[in-house]
Amino acid sequence: KNEVEQSPQNLTAQEGEFITINCSYSVGISALHWLQQHPGGGIVSLFMLSSGKKKHGRLIATINIQEKHSSLHITASHPRDSAVYICGAGGSNYKLTFGKGTLLTVNP
Amino acid sequence: DVKVTQSSRYLVKRTGEKVFLECVQDMDHENMFWYRQDPGLGLRLIYFSYDVKMKEKGDIPEGYSVSREKKERFSLILESASTSQTSMYLCASSLSVGLGSTYNEQFFGPGTRLTVL
Repeated sequence: KNEVEQSPQNLTAQEGEFITINCSYSVGISALHWLQQHPGGGIVSLFMLSSGKKKHGRLIATINIQEKHSSLHITASHPRDSAVYICGAGGSNYKLTFGKGTLLTVNP
Repeated sequence: DVKVTQSSRYLVKRTGEKVFLECVQDMDHENMFWYRQDPGLGLRLIYFSYDVKMKEKGDIPEGYSVSREKKERFSLILESASTSQTSMYLCASSLSVGLGSTYNEQFFGPGTRLTVL
């Protein structure tokens, strides 16, 4: 079974700061998912990647397959980025194992 | 846009009751999932279905069953609800393209917050 670890568990930043959230997994995967969940809100898929790097607006996700590690970066953070960020590791089927999430708070 | 809907946002039930949670997706996705989300434990997979009438147990299937009679609908059943099943339940769906394909992105419903008294 894949073990997925996220760090940090909680992160507080000032508006404008560069943010990094890390995700490590124990078993080789087919894809790594990054999700966002606002307080009281639903879950939205941000990225799905199996290699390299993807960028969407101020969000960047990278993955290093050899090191079994992925990072989610937020440039020029904004209070509306405050949410829980969750990574999910996909194995040899379509099921995902998730990390416990990182609670990000961006203060104005 | 893919839409995944769940029958209730909030539900309160009594211990021992049979509970049905319904999920419907409108994008002809093959895969559907039921998760529960608890503070400190994150999202955990209860059951997964990759086709009509097909199901696979996830990480925590005990106390739950599922039904998928039509492609668009996936039901989670709590045969005899217990207080330990108080949680947020989330349904998701995805296509079944080649592993690692971007098209396998999971789309989540809004969730049902179930309280068992």
